[in-house]
Amino acid sequence: DTAVSQTPKYLVTQMGNDKSIKCEQNLGHDTMYWYKQDSKKFLKIMFSYNNKELIINETVPNRFSPKSPDKAHLNLHINSLELGDSAVYFCASSQDSIRGGGLETQYFGPGTRLLVL
Amino acid sequence: QKEVEQDPGPLSVPEGAIVSLNCTYSNSAFQYFMWYRQYSRKGPELLMYTYSSGNKEDGRFTAQVDKSSKYISLFIRDSQPSDSATYLCAMSGGNYGQNFVFGPGTRLSVLP
Repeated sequence: DTAVSQTPKYLVTQMGNDKSIKCEQNLGHDTMYWYKQDSKKFLKIMFSYNNKELIINETVPNRFSPKSPDKAHLNLHINSLELGDSAVYFCASSQDSIRGGGLETQYFGPGTRLLVL
Repeated sequence: QKEVEQDPGPLSVPEGAIVSLNCTYSNSAFQYFMWYRQYSRKGPELLMYTYSSGNKEDGRFTAQVDKSSKYISLFIRDSQPSDSATYLCAMSGGNYGQNFVFGPGTRLSVLP
């Protein structure tokens, strides 16, 4: 069974479109994350939710809106897509939040490869 | 200066070689140091972690932290082609707020 799953795996779309990426974890974790990995492989945190509450919100354009219907799901909606949004987006989960600066093993999904044309 | 720096590679070594991967960082508040391995087209997975300064060994892998120099290392002994991946250091710690960061990763190729 896949612990952290994301759909779709690949997403090719035109500039200006709105798209969503879905993430689900079956690990029973309380915290979920979205990361963006750019072409240089730099992995940068975007958002984190703990028990459906937003706890980390990095400097991300407000065209990106996370939604957590329950603690097992964290979806990412992107409005008015731009060329610079092309990247691999990873969802992750951990038992507790990393916000406190502690050690929390994060489990990553397989990634969604977004290409904006 | 970036918060965490890592030589991007690629680093190519022959099978059986000892590999040394390194990160430097600037935030002295970091206390937990992790190494993640990312295979091509996959998500990162936690390989090892250490707390504060010192060494930790797990099979062919040894993680080393020198907080005084703000320098961490991952050593891989008897490297195998299956070790070919990107290795990302990560670290966390400090006060309330965002205090977790990944390094940019080093791409390693172990040639048979």
